[in-house]
Amino acid sequence: DTAVSQTPKYLVTQMGNDKSIKCEQNLGHDTMYWYKQDSKKFLKIMFSYNNKELIINETVPNRFSPKSPDKAHLNLHINSLELGDSAVYFCASSQESGYTFGSGTRLTVV
Amino acid sequence: AQSVAQPEDQVNVAEGNPLTVKCTYSVSGNPYLFWYVQYPNRGLQFLLKYITGDNLVKGSYGFEAEFNKSQTSFHLKKPSALVSDSALYFCAVREGTGGFKTIFGAGTRLFVKA
Repeated sequence: DTAVSQTPKYLVTQMGNDKSIKCEQNLGHDTMYWYKQDSKKFLKIMFSYNNKELIINETVPNRFSPKSPDKAHLNLHINSLELGDSAVYFCASSQESGYTFGSGTRLTVV
Repeated sequence: AQSVAQPEDQVNVAEGNPLTVKCTYSVSGNPYLFWYVQYPNRGLQFLLKYITGDNLVKGSYGFEAEFNKSQTSFHLKKPSALVSDSALYFCAVREGTGGFKTIFGAGTRLFVKA
């Protein structure tokens, strides 16, 4: 049973489209995150939810909107996709300290 | 604000030799420190963490790390490298109690040659 699962694994879409990435964790963790990993492998935090409440909202364009329907799910919706949004997006969850990461969603905007 | 520095983009080591991957950090308050490993086309995997207690922390796959408060460092070490250790390694720091945001270093690529 996968602890943190993201769907889809790959996403290729055209500029201007709207897309969503879903994340689910079955670890019972209270906190979930979205990170973006760029082509140079640099990891940047985007958002974090703790028990469905948004607690971290970094400098991210407001085309990106996270939603947490319950503490086991954290979805990421992206409007009006741009070429620069191409990256790997990782979901993660944590309870006290270390993270458990999903396997990532590779988003390619063409 | 928290920050993490991994001064080496790449570390090359021969199989069987000891390896060190360096990390220094800056955080107000007590740090929570972590190492993660990323294999190609995979998510990050947790290796080890320092929260409190013994400065030498042991983790997965024979890795260990030493917390040095005076030098604000948390270097990752392994006594004898394996070819299969070749991967991308990330150091990360979180501000202690009450902090939620974990900041990752830029990553260090480890190449272990047979």
